[in-house]
Amino acid sequence: DTGVSQDPRHKITKRGQNVTFRCDPISEHNRLYWYRQTLGQGPEFLTYFQNEAQLEKSRLLSDRFSAERPKGSFSTLEIQRTEQGDSAMYLCASSPGLRDTQYFGPGTRLTVL
Amino acid sequence: QQQVKQSPQSLIVQKGGIPIINCAYENTAFDYFPWYQQFPGKGPALLIAIRPDVSEKKEGRFTISFNKSAKQFSLHIMDSQPGDSATYFCAASREGNMLTFGGGTRLMVKP
Repeated sequence: DTGVSQDPRHKITKRGQNVTFRCDPISEHNRLYWYRQTLGQGPEFLTYFQNEAQLEKSRLLSDRFSAERPKGSFSTLEIQRTEQGDSAMYLCASSPGLRDTQYFGPGTRLTVL
Repeated sequence: QQQVKQSPQSLIVQKGGIPIINCAYENTAFDYFPWYQQFPGKGPALLIAIRPDVSEKKEGRFTISFNKSAKQFSLHIMDSQPGDSATYFCAASREGNMLTFGGGTRLMVKP
């Protein structure tokens, strides 16, 4: 399968713990996006990368969130000191470049107890 | 601030019916309008997309109608099937940047 992959698919953690998610984009896709989706809502943009450069961050992305894309390949999203309000599906998408279709991965469902 | 408003929130049709989902946007700089389909536990999958230089686009049983002056666009699903039961999201973006999604429509197609 050559689609976008995300790991883990599910994560349960206790409030205050740190969590890290990984996204592997489709091969040779230069753009990589992170979105967050809460139950019954549409995805909301968090941040995106053009190769290894992080070009834009949403105001939703508090100081507890950090994302990286070393070497322009896979990306990680870390949440420090998790809160119950962080419980959501975290979606990753990639596209070949500007103005191209974004292809989504299956998401990582985070539950903060 | 919701820049893309989607309606209805839920929709039930009989098999063979033509569900219609509507979206309205505010930002006139948007230049790309995709529709995504999402099944429970899965990520959104692109169905069809349109740019504002055309008023209609068809792909298989899916049609987008676009009204630039009204800042509205809609999805029609012809000959709907139970397998079309899913949540549908409209979205918009400017110059290929991040997508702004509508709130979603949960569609149920009854056999």
